[in-house]
Amino acid sequence: DIVMTQSPDSLAVSLGERATINCKSSQSVLYTSNNKNYLAWYRQRPGQPPELLIYWASTRESGVPDRFSGSGSGTDFTLTISSLQAEDVAVYYCQQYFINPYTFGQGTKVEV
Amino acid sequence: QVQLVESGGGVVQPGGSVRVSCATAGFDFSDYGMHWVRQTPGKGLEWVAFIRHDFSNKQYADSVKGRFTISRDNAKKMLYLQMDSLRADDTAVYYCACSVAAGGLFDYWGQGTLVIVSS
Repeated sequence: DIVMTQSPDSLAVSLGERATINCKSSQSVLYTSNNKNYLAWYRQRPGQPPELLIYWASTRESGVPDRFSGSGSGTDFTLTISSLQAEDVAVYYCQQYFINPYTFGQGTKVEV
Repeated sequence: QVQLVESGGGVVQPGGSVRVSCATAGFDFSDYGMHWVRQTPGKGLEWVAFIRHDFSNKQYADSVKGRFTISRDNAKKMLYLQMDSLRADDTAVYYCACSVAAGGLFDYWGQGTLVIVSS
């Protein structure tokens, strides 16, 4: 199974400041035939299910604010929130969909 | 608007069975693969099972293989998970999720249903 490891486990950021979350996979999730990274990011607000933010490592889901951006390739990825808003207080997960079983990182809790 | 609504959770004894359901609306259910994903405080998010839109392929996590069965009714726009031989470590919130952009991507999620395995 591909192991996904996020860092840090938690992060305290002031409103309006930048938040950066890292995700590392135990093997590459880049499919060379189409040059796509099978890596997604989700946000889970308290008491809510996860919601898809980013897929293909850097494509924002429809309706997701542009303060969210994803980058990276192969085994190392980053989610950046350029200006933290109150509604971004949540746990963030990376997930690989390169190969079954699809696996998630342990989560990063973002607080103010 | 896509809607996924799970039901059927509750308290079940170890070794028992339960079926959870997911009612869907707002999209062409018969065109998309569907998943069950569970969440526990200890183990986080864990993919459980997948069924292709045309029933041709079903996949399971090793932790539930042989005990859980995923199924769907495209006419009723319903997804199901039959859980047998339940163990304490199956205690979790069970979410149904829809794959749109790619097979293992979870584009839309329901609110979840809690299954507690306890005597």
